[in-house]
Amino acid sequence: AQSVTQPDIHITVSEGASLELRCNYSYGATPYLFWYVQSPGQGLQLLLKYFSGDTLVQGIKGFEAEFKRSQSSFNLRKPSVHWSDAAEYFCAVGGTDKLIFGTGTRLQVFP
Amino acid sequence: DGGITQSPKYLFRKEGQNVTLSCEQNLNHDAMYWYRQDPGQGLRLIYYSQIVNDFQKGDIAEGYSVSREKKESFPLTVTSAQKNPTAFYLCASSIRGARGTGELFFGEGSRLTVL
Repeated sequence: AQSVTQPDIHITVSEGASLELRCNYSYGATPYLFWYVQSPGQGLQLLLKYFSGDTLVQGIKGFEAEFKRSQSSFNLRKPSVHWSDAAEYFCAVGGTDKLIFGTGTRLQVFP
Repeated sequence: DGGITQSPKYLFRKEGQNVTLSCEQNLNHDAMYWYRQDPGQGLRLIYYSQIVNDFQKGDIAEGYSVSREKKESFPLTVTSAQKNPTAFYLCASSIRGARGTGELFFGEGSRLTVL
């Protein structure tokens, strides 16, 4: 069955520190992969997406993600976190007729 | 500008009343979706529609109904049969890629509170 796993429910980092949010997926073919961010009370905003080609994908707000087929992973990274990055982050894979979302990782940033 | 418009942003309802949440898109997308989100929870799919006049149940369709009479509109009715309707509701639309569902575009959400 198609699924997405975000093993970290809650992550806390200091401002300026590096960040990596983990995402593993289960999908039969080469998937479309996405990372979304959600601020409290808002809709979801797309950070980046992978469809094909270069496995290192650049997104908005200084984020990047790397598709690793051998590990079925699509981890999100940022070299230096800003306080405004505090939010909920969702990984998703493009299924046949809908996106399959992970349960999300809440990022807290300390000054 | 193209996008998804949800209304109202906040809605209060008495128990036993039906309420309809509006979702309109001008992106010319074929597919539209309704999600429910509870505090600290992920997204749960309620209903989705791939084309006009057709829709499918998602994971938590009980107590909800939808219609898709026009490509740009996908309203969600929360009926009195929904036991815990207080939640944040998100509408989205997408295009379909060659290998599956493409990027979803989300509205700003509607927060429903049952008094």
